[in-house]
Amino acid sequence: QSVLTQPPSASGTPGQRVSISCSGSNSNIGSNYVYWYQQLPGTAPKLLIYSNDQRPSGVSDRFSGSKSGTSASLAISGLRSEDEADYYCAAWDDSLSTVLFGGGTKLTVL
Amino acid sequence: QITLKESGPTVVKPTQTLTLTCTFSGFSVSAVGEAVGWIRQPPGKALEWLAILYWDDDKRYRPSLKSRLTIAKAASQNQVVLVMANVDPLDTATYYCAHKGPQVVLFDSWGQGALVSVSS
Repeated sequence: QSVLTQPPSASGTPGQRVSISCSGSNSNIGSNYVYWYQQLPGTAPKLLIYSNDQRPSGVSDRFSGSKSGTSASLAISGLRSEDEADYYCAAWDDSLSTVLFGGGTKLTVL
Repeated sequence: QITLKESGPTVVKPTQTLTLTCTFSGFSVSAVGEAVGWIRQPPGKALEWLAILYWDDDKRYRPSLKSRLTIAKAASQNQVVLVMANVDPLDTATYYCAHKGPQVVLFDSWGQGALVSVSS
């Protein structure tokens, strides 16, 4: 059971906006940056969002991140079929002295 | 451009020691702010962080696996090794190594992963 809690699944139709939540605590999300990774089927994770809301070069601006208190969200606008993947949030935890990953959210594009 | 690639055995017997090597290019693990980490993913399950080695040789481990893990720079300047002792079938997973740069706290580039099965 992950300390960072994500919904196991999410879905949307092409063109829609979808949000994925990540809930933590004061020792992780509450006091550290949140990262988001996209894992397409059969591939390695790819960094989507770093430092809560920053996009690496080359990542579409359809992806955005936000953080408030001990929770964070990843939003995907203009949903496309190629966005179908698993999405993971991650953060350092000061109490556990460990990197935490959420349990992952499987996004289905209907 | 940063690239990383994992290598090691595909099958290991229970109780044996697993040694994985991460070979990378595009950065030096000795440069300030740089780090290499290991993450694994059991089949059909979530990502699980294992260890990280920082530029100053500081090392951190997943608390529940700390007694079984060792991360270290290899003799080659562009390799980092992860050693896991006393493996169990529950250690069957795809093992990834990943890069952390000076501008970020967590991993910004990942290797393709190496599937390791623990089976007798």
